[in-house]
Amino acid sequence: EAGVVQSPRYKIIEKKQPVAFWCNPISGHNTLYWYLQNLGQGPELLIRYENEEAVDDSQLPKDRFSAERLKGVDSTLKIQPAELGDSAVYLCASSQGTAEAFFGQGTRLTVV
Amino acid sequence: GESVGLHLPTLSVQEGDNSIINCAYSNSASDYFIWYKQESGKGPQFIIDIRSNMDKRQGQRVTVLLNKTVKHLSLQIAATQPGDSAVYFCAEKVTGANNLFFGTGTRLTVIP
Repeated sequence: EAGVVQSPRYKIIEKKQPVAFWCNPISGHNTLYWYLQNLGQGPELLIRYENEEAVDDSQLPKDRFSAERLKGVDSTLKIQPAELGDSAVYLCASSQGTAEAFFGQGTRLTVV
Repeated sequence: GESVGLHLPTLSVQEGDNSIINCAYSNSASDYFIWYKQESGKGPQFIIDIRSNMDKRQGQRVTVLLNKTVKHLSLQIAATQPGDSAVYFCAEKVTGANNLFFGTGTRLTVIP
């Protein structure tokens, strides 16, 4: 069974440019999470979806970050415009109901 | 959000010894806890979980202990191997809320 798939694995962009990350969760998982992980720290929740509904986006900086999960499967996370401080690893995870969450390999974003 | 933290940021052990990684949490409503292992350049990998109706759960070479009275859990790794070297995170969840919160992490280094 395929795990959570994220792309791209790495992205380098100049500040003020837009960037998008894509996530394909494990088949059948209705819950999808986007996390941000800074070096040496634990993942921090950005947004959680239950099917296509964003049920918790309280930690998402909405002035520049947006996310969507239109058909309740794949999801994209966008930053526009990117800032130097956005450099981090962006992790996607999925789970079924209240079970454990499985993570993708992440997208390492570098803003220069 | 909830506060999940670890007592020791780094831990070095000799190969073959047992390892104990500790974690404190602050939300008494949390009822589901997960230990993740994260190797360099990879996403967190599920190791073992425990629900609040239990105080101990064993897996292959790993044991998780939960003390709800002092809001503390630990991960014990038996006969630690070089492949166990990684950063270990505890995460907590309140069933129903479904948000998964992570602590800072402990870096485990196994000395051959």
